[in-house]
Amino acid sequence: GNSVTQMEGPVTLSEEAFLTINCTYTATGYPSLFWYVQYPGEGLQLLLKATKADDKGSNKGFEATYRKETTSFHLEKGSVQVSDSAVYFCALSGAGGGNKLTFGTGTQLKVEL
Amino acid sequence: KAGVTQTPRYLIKTRGQQVTLSCSPISGHRSVSWYQQTPGQGLQFLFEYFSETQRNKGNFPGRFSGRQFSNSRSEMNVSTLELGDSALYLCASSGGTPGQPQHFGDGTRLSIL
Repeated sequence: GNSVTQMEGPVTLSEEAFLTINCTYTATGYPSLFWYVQYPGEGLQLLLKATKADDKGSNKGFEATYRKETTSFHLEKGSVQVSDSAVYFCALSGAGGGNKLTFGTGTQLKVEL
Repeated sequence: KAGVTQTPRYLIKTRGQQVTLSCSPISGHRSVSWYQQTPGQGLQFLFEYFSETQRNKGNFPGRFSGRQFSNSRSEMNVSTLELGDSALYLCASSGGTPGQPQHFGDGTRLSIL
């Protein structure tokens, strides 16, 4: 079946540091890939998406590129802010699983001044 | 455009009781999916409804059930509650095409005493 593996947290960074959160996946076919963010006490917000190989999703300074050869979708941001502190989830859908989202375990990010 | 609305936000029940959670999707969305989020198991897919029919189902016992109405609103029911059912229950809506982004509500926090 489909699965998503993302790096363990928590990740603690200083403001303006570079962020990378690794995500790899296992799926048959060609899934769509997503990053969601969850702030305390809230649901998940879609951060960015990519639907085919070599697509780059981007939003609010965050970027991720769909790499089929390495089955990866790493999240990056050049300069994090305190307001980016949240839990980040990598997810996939499609690829025989229909509309069902398969999530990674989540990575907690804390950004300090 | 209104987002996904889940009611109630918080619920406290005792073991053996049953509970019904409600989800109103984004206008025009025909697919509603439900997920359970716990610290131990992370985000797990419960089921998806599309045009009033269950289209996909996760690996949960029959105590978990759902339905969808003609206006796409959905309800989830859990019977004979157990302590392990304590979780954040998230609803997500989309147009229904596999691979499309899903948009989440803020969830219902269910606590079992």
